[in-house]
Amino acid sequence: GAVVSQHPSRVICKSGTSVKIECRSLDFQATTMFWYRQFPKKSLMLMATSNEGSKATYEQGVEKDKFLINHASLTLSTLTVTSAHPEDSSFYICSAKTASGTDTQYFGPGTRLTVL
Amino acid sequence: GDSVTQMEGPVTLSEEAFLTINCTYTATGYPSLFWYVQYPGEGLQLLLKATKADDKGSNKGFEATYRKETTSFHLEKGSVQVSDSAVYFCALKDQGGKLIFGQGTELSVKP
Repeated sequence: GAVVSQHPSRVICKSGTSVKIECRSLDFQATTMFWYRQFPKKSLMLMATSNEGSKATYEQGVEKDKFLINHASLTLSTLTVTSAHPEDSSFYICSAKTASGTDTQYFGPGTRLTVL
Repeated sequence: GDSVTQMEGPVTLSEEAFLTINCTYTATGYPSLFWYVQYPGEGLQLLLKATKADDKGSNKGFEATYRKETTSFHLEKGSVQVSDSAVYFCALKDQGGKLIFGQGTELSVKP
């Protein structure tokens, strides 16, 4: 089946620094990728939808200047958390849809971000 | 807005026990409904889905029936195995095509 990877799997950073998380579709081309955030014992919350070669669409309440999303190729999307603060600590999950027309999303394993 | 509510976990069962994980939803219209499973260290995987009322989704011994009258999509399995230990997420697809997830239910199956 379609595989999506994320890197790194976990990262610890100091407050005020920026962190980049990569999401890759390994064996298919993804025209659309999604970024979710998950708090402990809470549901996944959609942050933004990114289409290859165009600007991401952010959900209401998500700061686009803080969570920079780039979808530069059909197999790679990146999420950069800028000037991270402890309240940004969370589990970030990406997913990808194929270009084949099926509506199925394939999910990455997630990245645990801890901001000290 | 649309929402999904799942029973809280963790759920701990002995092998071969019967499993039910409750899921109810609130939505505009008649959304497609899904169950995803997340095994330790892996990404969410689609387990089963149903697209209209009275549809039954099934996979790997798991079943869920789309109940419009009770706005529910409960997940069931007749005999769980240790390998079923995972976190299970109920979800719906809203009218804009976005997935709305429940909070997840952790299942632990003991031998």
